Amino acid sequence: TQLLEQSPQFLSIQEGENLTVYCNSSSVFSSLQWYRQEPGEGPVLLVTVVTGGEVKKLKRLTFQFGDARKDSSLHITAAQPGDTGLYLCAPWAGSYQLTFGKGTKLSVIP
Amino acid sequence: NAGVTQTPKFRILKIGQSMTLQCTQDMNHNYMYWYRQDPGMGLKLIYYSVGAGITDKGEVPNGYNVSRSTTEDFPLRLELAAPSQTSVYFCATGTTGKEYGYTFGSGTRLTVV
Repeated sequence: TQLLEQSPQFLSIQEGENLTVYCNSSSVFSSLQWYRQEPGEGPVLLVTVVTGGEVKKLKRLTFQFGDARKDSSLHITAAQPGDTGLYLCAPWAGSYQLTFGKGTKLSVIP
Repeated sequence: NAGVTQTPKFRILKIGQSMTLQCTQDMNHNYMYWYRQDPGMGLKLIYYSVGAGITDKGEVPNGYNVSRSTTEDFPLRLELAAPSQTSVYFCATGTTGKEYGYTFGSGTRLTVV
């Protein structure tokens, strides 16, 4: 059974601070996706990482896929209130479906 | 370009009533999915479809039914609504390949009282 854990579950920080959230599993994945969900909306795809050790940057967001393709991290530099939301990771295990983690709920206080 | 459209946005049902949640996409994606999201529990897959005429159960299918007669539409039917079905429901579409992500609708918030 695939175990997928996201940490921390909740994070509240001041504007301008840096933060890192994590997505860990006991299984190896073909790829992994990160989504952000704002209140009252559906999740929106941020990035897909495919290769072990891969690092992708999206403005102030840096995504890393672990060398063993079992884990991933999302680092936000100088967080802004617009970064507030639920961050979900979704590993791709080769089937038609994505399995989502429970997410990290981030609040950035102005 | 509308993407994925879900209706209604909000609905209150009484126990035992039935309803259909609508999902329409204009992206010509073969794969469509229904998820429910409960607080602190992430997204749970209810049903999915890999193309018109083909549907299959996900992780939590009990109490729901789906059909897929066209590429564009993937309605979710609730029969005999129960309080346990109070949730936010999301429809999503996807394409083949591990680098392609899902596109989600904006959700339907359902309360069963």
